[in-house]
Amino acid sequence: DGGITQSPKYLFRKEGQNVTLSCEQNLNHDAMYWYRQDPGQGLRLIYYSQIVNDFQKGDIAEGYSVSREKKESFPLTVTSAQKNPTAFYLCASTPLGTGLVGTEAFFGQGTRLTVV
Amino acid sequence: LAKTTQPISMDSYEGQEVNITCSHNNIATNDYITWYQQFPSQGPRFIIQGYKTKVTNEVASLFIPADRKSSTLSLPRVSLSDTAVYYCLVGATDNAGNMLTFGGGTRLMVKP
Repeated sequence: DGGITQSPKYLFRKEGQNVTLSCEQNLNHDAMYWYRQDPGQGLRLIYYSQIVNDFQKGDIAEGYSVSREKKESFPLTVTSAQKNPTAFYLCASTPLGTGLVGTEAFFGQGTRLTVV
Repeated sequence: LAKTTQPISMDSYEGQEVNITCSHNNIATNDYITWYQQFPSQGPRFIIQGYKTKVTNEVASLFIPADRKSSTLSLPRVSLSDTAVYYCLVGATDNAGNMLTFGGGTRLMVKP
């Protein structure tokens, strides 16, 4: 079955460490996105990518980095520069050239990151 | 991208029809209106999308007036399992490419 997979589901990080969250999709979608969600809040866009080897900053990119070496993979690294990384992280994908037009976004099940 | 305004929360009872309205006064000609549903600790899932007038699927209906400055998501005969956050998104491919920008959503609580 086609879908989008995030791993791990739960992740614990010590202060000062970098951690990488995985996002893989087999939907043949060109565009992928990373969001952060804090308790009781909406989703905030961190980074997005339309094509391989290209990505753009979203609203809250500071302290995060991404790469897009393969179409199906869009990993997110939470760096030590991110001062308050504890949150729920969601990855999504859509076909290129459509965005919200005539299609839907598919989301992973999320990764809950906790700083200990 | 057009900014959206939704009520922060709504309460309803099982079996009732629920209407959630979203305001998007600066919607552009090419913009579509899309609604997503999110349960706790899960990713949002697509509910319905429309451009104008009325769209209906097996889950919901979407009403869009002629000026398209607002839209209403209608959930018929809600059940406890419809308790979730509902997001209204408005937009299309912008000059920089694809973006999905979510607002705060409407938290729907369905009571027995």
